[in-house]
Amino acid sequence: DIQMTQSPSSVSASVGDRVTITCRASQNIGDWLAWYQQKPGTAPNLLIYSASKSYNGVPSRFSGTGFGADFSLTISSLQPEDFATYYCQQAYSFPRAFGQGTKVDIK
Amino acid sequence: QVQLVQSGAEVKKPGTSVKVSCKASGYSFSSFGMTWVRQAPGQGLEWIGRIGPYGANIKHAQNFHDRVTMTTDTSTNTAYMELRSLRSDDTAVYYCANGPNENFFDWWGQGTLVTVSS
Repeated sequence: DIQMTQSPSSVSASVGDRVTITCRASQNIGDWLAWYQQKPGTAPNLLIYSASKSYNGVPSRFSGTGFGADFSLTISSLQPEDFATYYCQQAYSFPRAFGQGTKVDIK
Repeated sequence: QVQLVQSGAEVKKPGTSVKVSCKASGYSFSSFGMTWVRQAPGQGLEWIGRIGPYGANIKHAQNFHDRVTMTTDTSTNTAYMELRSLRSDDTAVYYCANGPNENFFDWWGQGTLVTVSS
């Protein structure tokens, strides 16, 4: 089974900061990776799929890069509504797997 | 507009079973599979399994392999996930999720809280 490891587990940042979250797969997954944002008490929302493609309506400040085993999600200028937990997910093989999450909170 | 509407919260005793439903609308239900994900309190997302289009090609995580059954009813556009032999660590919010590319999850249900407690 493929394991997904995110870092950091949490990050404190201010509005306007640039934030980068990384996700490492235990094996090569090509570009079969998605990123989700989740706010407390709500279901996750898809942000990025196929490692770097932005989902419909996602603000341009969110971008994804990477291929193979190493990936990153960058928020170029953090907005108040971006304080949330972010998860990566591999879609290369079954069983699907999520990273453990990265919580972005207010500094 | 795609909607996935799940059944309400459940409280169950250890050793019993729970069946969560997910009613879909806004797309051709039988042409897509359905994925189930859960989230224990304060924890991350855990993939449970997936049932493919027309109820075929079922996959599940090894953790659940002998306790979970996923089904679909195309007459009511509803997917079901039954979890048996419940334990306290099965307490979680259970989500159904889907998308036109079944690899990624565009659409999510609102979640169903299942509490397992004696």
